[in-house]
Amino acid sequence: DGGITQSPKYLFRKEGQNVTLSCEQNLNHDAMYWYRQDPGQGLRLIYYSQIVNDFQKGDIAEGYSVSREKKESFPLTVTSAQKNPTAFYLCASSILVIWEERNATNEKLFFGSGTQLSVL
Amino acid sequence: QQPVQSPQAVILREGEDAVINCSSSKALYSVHWYRQKHGEAPVFLMILLKGGEQKGHEKISASFNEKKQQSSLYLTASQLSYSGTYFCGTADRDDKIIFGKGTRLHILP
Repeated sequence: DGGITQSPKYLFRKEGQNVTLSCEQNLNHDAMYWYRQDPGQGLRLIYYSQIVNDFQKGDIAEGYSVSREKKESFPLTVTSAQKNPTAFYLCASSILVIWEERNATNEKLFFGSGTQLSVL
Repeated sequence: QQPVQSPQAVILREGEDAVINCSSSKALYSVHWYRQKHGEAPVFLMILLKGGEQKGHEKISASFNEKKQQSSLYLTASQLSYSGTYFCGTADRDDKIIFGKGTRLHILP
């Protein structure tokens, strides 16, 4: 079955440590997203990528890094520079429809089941 | 900048109607609506593209007024299964999708 898989489900980080959250999709989707969810804050965009080897910062990119070496994979690294990393992290993917030069529309987002990151 | 959703929370009795609003300070190309139940991933409800369209999904429908940069989600004859947090996501010319803070909906039997 096609879908989007996040791992691990729970992750603990020690102070000063970098950790990487995995996100894999076999839907052949062009676009992939990382969102952070905190209680009462909704979903805040960390990074997004519309094509392999290209990605853009979202509203809260500081302290995070990503790579998009393959279409199906979009790992997120939470670096030691992120001082408040405890949150629920959601990865999503979608088909990107190009409807004229420099304009595109995302079809519906498919979300992974999320990773809860906590600090030890 | 996050779109603004209102109200923040709603409590209804089964069978009652609700409206959730979403407004943005930026010009919009599309609006997405999702529902999330506690501990689960958000689930897609519908997308509205610029053009003032209205769409429906069972007893849930939505409208999009691009001039006012607003969208509204209408839930009629609510069911217990409608409980959860509703998020609107807005996309501008860059097409990145930015979500609001959500509206918590609780349906009482």
